Amino acid sequence: DAGVIQSPRHEVTEMGQEVTLRCKPISGHDYLFWYRQTMMRGLELLIYFNNNVPIDDSGMPEDRFSAKMPNASFSTLKIQPSEPRDSAVYFCASSPGGPDTQYFGPGTRLTVL
Amino acid sequence: GQQLNQSPQSMFIQEGEDVSMNCTSSSIFNTWLWYKQDPGEGPVLLIALYKAGELTSNGRLTAQFGITRKDSFLNISASIPSDVGIYFCAGQLGAGGTSYGKLTFGQGTILTVHP
Repeated sequence: DAGVIQSPRHEVTEMGQEVTLRCKPISGHDYLFWYRQTMMRGLELLIYFNNNVPIDDSGMPEDRFSAKMPNASFSTLKIQPSEPRDSAVYFCASSPGGPDTQYFGPGTRLTVL
Repeated sequence: GQQLNQSPQSMFIQEGEDVSMNCTSSSIFNTWLWYKQDPGEGPVLLIALYKAGELTSNGRLTAQFGITRKDSFLNISASIPSDVGIYFCAGQLGAGGTSYGKLTFGQGTILTVHP
């Protein structure tokens, strides 16, 4: 079985541009999580979905960030407009039954110039 | 918010040595998890702990859920070069509500193993 798939793996963009990160969870998993990892703040949960419904988005840093899950096999994390401080590795993870069994994707390394 | 203090921040050891790292929290957690992250990859779950006092092994790895539910440790015995990576602890608070899906992660322990 394929694991969690994220695209792109690397993204370099200029400040002010819109960035869209994509995630395909493992088939059959009901939970999907978006994380951000930086040296300063470590690994932080941004938002998670259960059965395509956003459950907790309290970790989303500000209104520039938005996430959607239109169906069970696809989710996006959008940053508009992007800022240099958004530079980080963004991980998507999915789980069949909760956060204790989640599988992480390989991440998207975002650089905002 | 909750914070996990993970120590040590980094370790440099010789192949064959045992390794120990731990996490402490100001909050009580219902679940403790230990992950390993290789460069350029996402974290991979190593061990999950669900009960205070629980001691669980996974090959050369052993982890324990502290009695107070505010700490956990991970031991690696007879280290090998492929043990190199970053090890994270994570705690889960509740069994219900919106906090169910949230994990709080430690800052990570960077492990280097010299052959």
